[in-house]
Amino acid sequence: GAVVSQHPSWVICKSGTSVKIECRSLDFQATTMFWYRQFPKQSLMLMATSNEGSKATYEQGVEKDKFLINHASLTLSTLTVTSAHPEDSSFYICSAREIFDNSPLHFGNGTRLTVT
Amino acid sequence: GQQVMQIPQYQHVQEGEDFTTYCNSSTTLSNIQWYKQRPGGHPVFLIQLVKSGEVKKQKRLTFQFGEAKKNSSLHITATQTTDVGTYFCAGVVPPNKLVFGAGTILRVKS
Repeated sequence: GAVVSQHPSWVICKSGTSVKIECRSLDFQATTMFWYRQFPKQSLMLMATSNEGSKATYEQGVEKDKFLINHASLTLSTLTVTSAHPEDSSFYICSAREIFDNSPLHFGNGTRLTVT
Repeated sequence: GQQVMQIPQYQHVQEGEDFTTYCNSSTTLSNIQWYKQRPGGHPVFLIQLVKSGEVKKQKRLTFQFGEAKKNSSLHITATQTTDVGTYFCAGVVPPNKLVFGAGTILRVKS
C-alpha cells in the first residue's frame, strides 16, 4: 500500500532556532500534501495544504512566515518551523493522497517537536 | 467554519462489550472517512463511505453513512483489547477539504 515517510520522528530544539520536517511519498506521486498539528488527546488540525510547484494554502490563524512549506517535487514536502518557541511544541503529521480526489489520506509517522 | 462533531469524547468498556462512536456534520458531506490512531502512533485509514445510507463491515466493525450524508457511525461488536485507540471520523466538505472530528478515545478493560 501507499507509504508516507516523515523525518525526523522526534526533535528537541532551543527557542529561536528553526526545525525542518520532511514528508515523502515513497511509492506514489502526491501533487498535494497536507500538514496537520495535533495536541495531546486532541484532534488533528489542518495547518496548510502543500501544492507541488506552487504556494501552500494556509488555514486561518496559521502564520505562513512561521511555518514555511516547500513542495519542490511530487514526492517531497517540507515544513520548517522558524524561530521556534515552546508553544510550538506539538506533534506534527503530514499526509498525502494519491492522485484521485477523495482518495484516503496516508499519514506519515509524525514528528514530535519539543522546544526548550 | 465547517465542523464535524464527534461523540463521545471518551469511552471505557469491558472487553466483550460493544462500542459506538457518532459523527455529525453541519453540512452535507461528499464522503466520510474513518481513521484509527493507536496511542503514540499516527492515524491509519480504516474505510471510506460515499453513498447515502451506505453500510460497510470489516469483521467486527460496522460503518454507516446517513441518508442525508450528514452523519455517520462506527460500531464495534464485542470489543477486544486490540481495539484500543482513538477513532476519528473525517468528512470531505466542499471544495475538497478533509475535516476531522474530535475523535473518540476507546479504552478496553480485560
